[in-house]
Order: sequence, then structure tokens, then C-alpha cells
Amino acid sequence: DAGVIQSPRHEVTEMGQEVTLRCKPISGHDYLFWYRQTMMRGLELLIYFNNNVPIDDSGMPEDRFSAKMPNASFSTLKIQPSEPRDSAVYFCASRTRTGRVGKNIQYFGAGTRLSVL
Amino acid sequence: GNSVTQMEGPVTLSEEAFLTINCTYTATGYPSLFWYVQYPGEGLQLLLKATKADDKGSNKGFEATYRKETTSFHLEKGSVQVSDSAVYFCALRTYGGSQGNLIFGKGTKLSVKP
Repeated sequence: DAGVIQSPRHEVTEMGQEVTLRCKPISGHDYLFWYRQTMMRGLELLIYFNNNVPIDDSGMPEDRFSAKMPNASFSTLKIQPSEPRDSAVYFCASRTRTGRVGKNIQYFGAGTRLSVL
Repeated sequence: GNSVTQMEGPVTLSEEAFLTINCTYTATGYPSLFWYVQYPGEGLQLLLKATKADDKGSNKGFEATYRKETTSFHLEKGSVQVSDSAVYFCALRTYGGSQGNLIFGKGTKLSVKP
């Protein structure tokens, strides 16, 4: 398996523009997570899905952020409009559910580095 | 609530030095504990894990023992290499409740000098 695939790897945009980050989870995984990583705040969970349904979006910072998972093999994280403080590395991760918590390993993508000018 | 506290970095060591990165946790129930590593420019990847008290996770020369009495999961390596330079994250997950959620510490950056 190719692992969790994120695109683009780098995104540079201007304040006010719409940004869409994409994620393809590992095939067969039914949990998908979006994280944001900054120097100041470390790694923050934004939202996660189970079987394509958003379960917990309490980490989404503002209404400017939205995430969708239209099918089991694709998810998007959208920021509209983007602001300089959104600059961060955004990670997607996925895992399967085996019923034994110790077996449930999250696999991370390589991340998207977003710079909002 | 559940939380993870790990020592602040950065940690700078010479090659072949002994490494300890402290991690303590607060959790209801019986969490599973994890160490993830993030190499420069990459996503996080699992380094090792332990699912119950007194379990020892190990991988690539790294070890961590699940200590319920001290609520700790310290990461150790006897002889670090330059290639171990990375950011290390301690994490936990409890069974039940928000089952999908890993709770991460803030990360500890390790730099190993030749």
C-alpha cells in the first residue's frame, strides 16, 4: 500500500484565497483524521471521520474551516477565506478499527505545508 | 481529562550518548501508550507502543516501559545516532469514549551531533 497520500505537499497562497487540501487514506481504513501542526501549538486534532461521517469537529478553529469525506478513499480540508495565521503543516492520518485499542495504529501522510501570505 | 506531558526540547546530544525523553500522562481508564517519531519533512510514524501496565515497547533500539504507578512512559535509547535526529511525540488513547482520538504531547526535538 502507498500509505496515506496528501496533496499538495506545499501550498503558497494569498490572504483571502480559498485553499483545499486533499487526502487519500489507506485502503480499508475507516477512520480519517486531520491535524494541524505549528511551532506555537504543536499538533492539534482538527476533525476526524468514521465511515465517512464526521464524529468530532471540536478542534476546527473557525467556520472558515470545513472538511468533507464524500467517500471512503478521499477527504478534503478547505479554508475559505485563508488568513496568515492559518500557515501550518496539515497532516492527514488514517487507521482501521480492530476492536482492540492497542492494535489501532494511526498512519500519517507526509503533510501539506501551507503558507498564507 | 486525558493529557500527555513530555519534556520540552530541544535536546542536543553527541553521537553514542544515552537518551531519555520523559513522558507522563493523565487518563481515565487504562490507556494504550505510544511514541511517534517525525523525521524532517515527513509525517509522524509509530515508533513503539505498549498496551498495558509493565509492557515494554521497543523498536530501532528505542525502549519505553508502561509504568502505571508513576503514570509514565519514558523513551530511552542507549546509544543515539545522527539519524535519530527528529521530533518525538508521546501519545495515549483510551478505550471507549472518543475512540478515534490519539492525544499527543507537544513533541520533543532531538538533535544528535556527530
